[in-house]
Amino acid sequence: DIQMTQSPSSLSASIGDRVTITCRASQGISNDLAWFQQKPGKAPKSLIYAASSLQSGVPSKFSGSGSGTDFTLTISSLQPEDFATYYCQQYDTYPYTFGQGTKLEIK
Amino acid sequence: EVQLVESGGGLVQPGGSLRLSCAASGFTFSDHYMDWVRQAPGKGLEWVGRIRNKANSYTTEYAASVKDRFTISRDDSKNSLYLQMNSLKTEDTAVYYCARGYRSFDSWGQGTLVTVSS
Repeated sequence: DIQMTQSPSSLSASIGDRVTITCRASQGISNDLAWFQQKPGKAPKSLIYAASSLQSGVPSKFSGSGSGTDFTLTISSLQPEDFATYYCQQYDTYPYTFGQGTKLEIK
Repeated sequence: EVQLVESGGGLVQPGGSLRLSCAASGFTFSDHYMDWVRQAPGKGLEWVGRIRNKANSYTTEYAASVKDRFTISRDDSKNSLYLQMNSLKTEDTAVYYCARGYRSFDSWGQGTLVTVSS
């Protein structure tokens, strides 16, 4: 199975900050990488697919990059609603696998 | 608007069975692959499995942890997705989400909780 490793596991930031979360795949996955946001007690929300394409309705403050094994999610100008847990996921090879999550907290 | 609504969760004893349903609306259900994803309490996300559409012969894929115990099916005439879970184990306790398999998982239901305990 392809292992997805996110860093950091948790992150404290202030309103207005720009943050970056990284995701590394244990083998190359081309650009078959998605990012999700999840708030407590809620279903995940899709943010990005194909490593850098925004899902419909997702604000442009979210951006993704990378290909192969190394990927990043960047969130600019943090607002209170952005504090959540973020997951990366590969859909290159079955079984599909997720990173362990990055919890973004308010400093 | 895409809507996915899961149902059928509950408390079941180890070794028991349960069938989850996912009612879809707001899109052409029959065109799409559909997936199940679960999340154990306080843990991360785990992909459970996928069913493809009719054009791809309704073939399925499963995670190793559920293969031979869980079966995914669909009824396109009812816009519904199903997850038949047999030989349940305590480690199957989780919120189960159905998701549309488009651009990874672009839409998710609200989830249904399955608790496996004696």
